[in-house]
Amino acid sequence: SQQGEEDPQALSIQEGENATMNCSYKTSINNLQWYRQNSGRGLVHLILIRSNEREKHSGRLRVTLDTSKKSSSLLITASRAADTASYFCATGSGGSNYKLTFGKGTLLTVNP
Amino acid sequence: NAGVTQTPKFRVLKTGQSMTLLCAQDMNHEYMYWYRQDPGMGLRLIHYSVGEGTTAKGEVPDGYNVSRLKKQNFLLGLESAAPSQTSVYFCASSLLAGSDTQYFGPGTRLTVL
Repeated sequence: SQQGEEDPQALSIQEGENATMNCSYKTSINNLQWYRQNSGRGLVHLILIRSNEREKHSGRLRVTLDTSKKSSSLLITASRAADTASYFCATGSGGSNYKLTFGKGTLLTVNP
Repeated sequence: NAGVTQTPKFRVLKTGQSMTLLCAQDMNHEYMYWYRQDPGMGLRLIHYSVGEGTTAKGEVPDGYNVSRLKKQNFLLGLESAAPSQTSVYFCASSLLAGSDTQYFGPGTRLTVL
């Protein structure tokens, strides 16, 4: 069953605008990751935030994590047409649960 | 450094035929995974391996078998393909446990007629 659920399912913006995607999950996690998938390609890791972190930055990406609300958000600032892709959140759990659980993704379209 | 590679890239099978998908990684990663991706379903874990010679079932293992005879290779087999196995298959690997960053291959698009 899916752990993370992204919202919205699809988002269309103009180049230069900011894009915000949200992810909610149900059980406790060790970390939460965001991946990007361009059409017809494999997933590419963007950023990992651990359960004891609240915010993390990487270039134009900003990720927040609120463990009390079991939610995360991914902000892409000053979007570009090349940011057009599907974005997935994935939650990681520790112990013997050696796997990531992926959400269904948000399709972001950035119009030139 | 090729990362994670998958062969073949595309394949069309008839119902009942068998095939093996090959995944190779050159990053000396311990952990490897096979996912399938279907429209509206996201990625679902089929099988995974926590080291050479080990395999374990994921979320949707039925109809698939796997082997990890060498650390760098992870094979996914379909013994008797069914139309429900039409999907895009992705292999991934990670250095540490499954919740670590995963590196994905380019995918194999499989159609079962």
